[in-house]
Amino acid sequence: SQTIHQWPATLVQPVGSPLSLECTVEGTSNPNLYWYRQAAGRGLQLLFYSVGIGQISSEVPQNLSASRPQDRQFILSSKKLLLSDSGFYLCAWSEGVYTEAFFGQGTRLTVV
Amino acid sequence: SQQGEEDPQALSIQEGENATMNCSYKTSINNLQWYRQNSGRGLVHLILIRSNEREKHSGRLRVTLDTSKKSSSLLITASRAADTASYFCATDANTGNQFYFGTGTSLTVIP
Repeated sequence: SQTIHQWPATLVQPVGSPLSLECTVEGTSNPNLYWYRQAAGRGLQLLFYSVGIGQISSEVPQNLSASRPQDRQFILSSKKLLLSDSGFYLCAWSEGVYTEAFFGQGTRLTVV
Repeated sequence: SQQGEEDPQALSIQEGENATMNCSYKTSINNLQWYRQNSGRGLVHLILIRSNEREKHSGRLRVTLDTSKKSSSLLITASRAADTASYFCATDANTGNQFYFGTGTSLTVIP
């Protein structure tokens, strides 16, 4: 069966520090991968999605970047965090838009 | 930008009552999905309805889709305290490989 792992669960980082959040998927090949951000009490904002290794599409210009070094690995990064980067980050995978998406448990990032 | 918008933003009902939440979206779609999120957790898929379907059932869930109005509704019948969560609709926007989520409805079921 397929599983998705996202870590860490919580993270407190100072302004200006770098960020690396990792997401891995098991039990499937060539999944579509997604990073979403959720502000407190708000909906999900699509940040990045990837349909294959090295293929990254950005939805919103921002302080973040994403990479897909391996088929089932998706990384969200920042060189210098801003206060506005605080939020709940969710990784997800799917076989395509015609099927459901499966979500990780999320990372709560607080930039201080 | 977000594709969908749920209504109401918050809903509080007594256990046993039915809960109805609505979703409106902006562009044509291939399908629409509903997800549930418990506080501070990831989202869990509930049901998917394709653009050529008008109604779909899954247990206590009933979803309708009106593509002419670009809207969908989720009905939870005989609600339980365990149904307390946020509910989101998601669409594929008929282009690319993206899922776009609405703003969510926060449902509280009072025992």
